[in-house]
Amino acid sequence: DQQVKQNSPSLSVQEGRISILNCDYTNSMFDYFLWYKKYPAEGPTFLISISSIKDKNEDGRFTVFLNKSAKHLSLHIVPSQPGDSAVYFCAAKGLFQGAQKLVFGQGTRLTINP
Amino acid sequence: EAQVTQNPRYLITVTGKKLTVTCSQNMNHEYMSWYRQDPGLGLRQIYYSMNVEVTDKGDVPEGYKVSRKEKRNFPLILESPSPNQTSLYFCASSFLGLASSTDTQYFGPGTRLTVL
Repeated sequence: DQQVKQNSPSLSVQEGRISILNCDYTNSMFDYFLWYKKYPAEGPTFLISISSIKDKNEDGRFTVFLNKSAKHLSLHIVPSQPGDSAVYFCAAKGLFQGAQKLVFGQGTRLTINP
Repeated sequence: EAQVTQNPRYLITVTGKKLTVTCSQNMNHEYMSWYRQDPGLGLRQIYYSMNVEVTDKGDVPEGYKVSRKEKRNFPLILESPSPNQTSLYFCASSFLGLASSTDTQYFGPGTRLTVL
């Protein structure tokens, strides 16, 4: 059962435009959400995060929005740059049966076209 | 330079031949973890370690072993690899592990394993 879902395997955006990556989760026990970015032949790197007590967190060109009622979060990249082309994973943290868990989505491949 | 290193980066082996993938971090992190990445499934945790000599199962531990004899090293052992263990493997480390909301994990570059 995939508790964290990224339903778009890929996304193509024109340079300078906004990229919006989406993520849905099913379990309301998750209390912290993260986005990781992964380039080919490299490990994921942390990008931005948000606590469940907030609905928005911004860091430069990157903004994460959280809609708890819809169990949905999104990552906005404005403006998109060629170097943003990568696979993006959303992840959710929560306490389950006495242990902290970090559950990843399937990933979305973002391509920024010049 | 702060980093997590993994070796080998690529490995092709045959069913049943024991192998070890090494992982080392130079950041004095307490927490280390192994993940596998498969198409359509994202990253799934195999094993993790809160500290030296303390290890625990993640979500997909079957067919894997780990050890944590030193703080910096966390090898992943496949005693008898099978084709369904063909995957991309990542080691990760962090100061406090998942118990801290704001603590983030640093990932190694990955090991692509093919079991024939």
